[in-house]
Amino acid sequence: DVKVTQSSRYLVKRTGEKVFLECVQDMDHENMFWYRQDPGLGLRLIYFSYDVKMKEKGDIPEGYSVSREKKERFSLILESASTNQTSMYLCASSLTAGGEKLFFGSGTQLSVL
Amino acid sequence: KQEVTQIPAALSVPEGENLVLNCSFTDSAIYNLQWFRQDPGKGLTSLLLIQSSQREQTSGRLNASLDKSSGRSTLYIAASQPGDSATYLCAVRRQNRDDKIIFGKGTRLHILP
Repeated sequence: DVKVTQSSRYLVKRTGEKVFLECVQDMDHENMFWYRQDPGLGLRLIYFSYDVKMKEKGDIPEGYSVSREKKERFSLILESASTNQTSMYLCASSLTAGGEKLFFGSGTQLSVL
Repeated sequence: KQEVTQIPAALSVPEGENLVLNCSFTDSAIYNLQWFRQDPGKGLTSLLLIQSSQREQTSGRLNASLDKSSGRSTLYIAASQPGDSATYLCAVRRQNRDDKIIFGKGTRLHILP
């Protein structure tokens, strides 16, 4: 089975801190995604990547950046954390070939105080 | 713009009943549709993926159908069990398979013992 691992289940950070959220997948998937999930708003796409060193903005990229130096690892960076970035962050991956399923990590609940 | 809607937002049914969850989408030009399950505080688990050329997919007690022309999909759960309690989300990938995946906000299902 595909395994998508997010490095932390819970994180508490201070306003203004730089925050790194790490995601690793073990199935050689080309596509990787970062979503945030908020009550009443559902899942919203922050950034995605179709290949190493490649990134595309999603629907809400402001305040975030990403890094994909290796195929298996996709990092989400909050340059200067703010309280409105308190959320559940979900990483996902999929193959590029047709019929691909989307596989999710277990999520990181980030609280910015 | 593709929009995905799931109604109702919450549903409670007695154990043992068969039930149907609904998903509707506004643009029929989709590449595929996927159903997910999410337990509280956890990531999403893929249940079924239906390609645009398919009408249905089955896995155990779950059956998902797709009617592109009417912009609808249903997830049928047979002989419901308390362990089926979770939030169920549907998501569509637009016709360009490299395009973003649009999620509904989910139906929170509670199976009454």
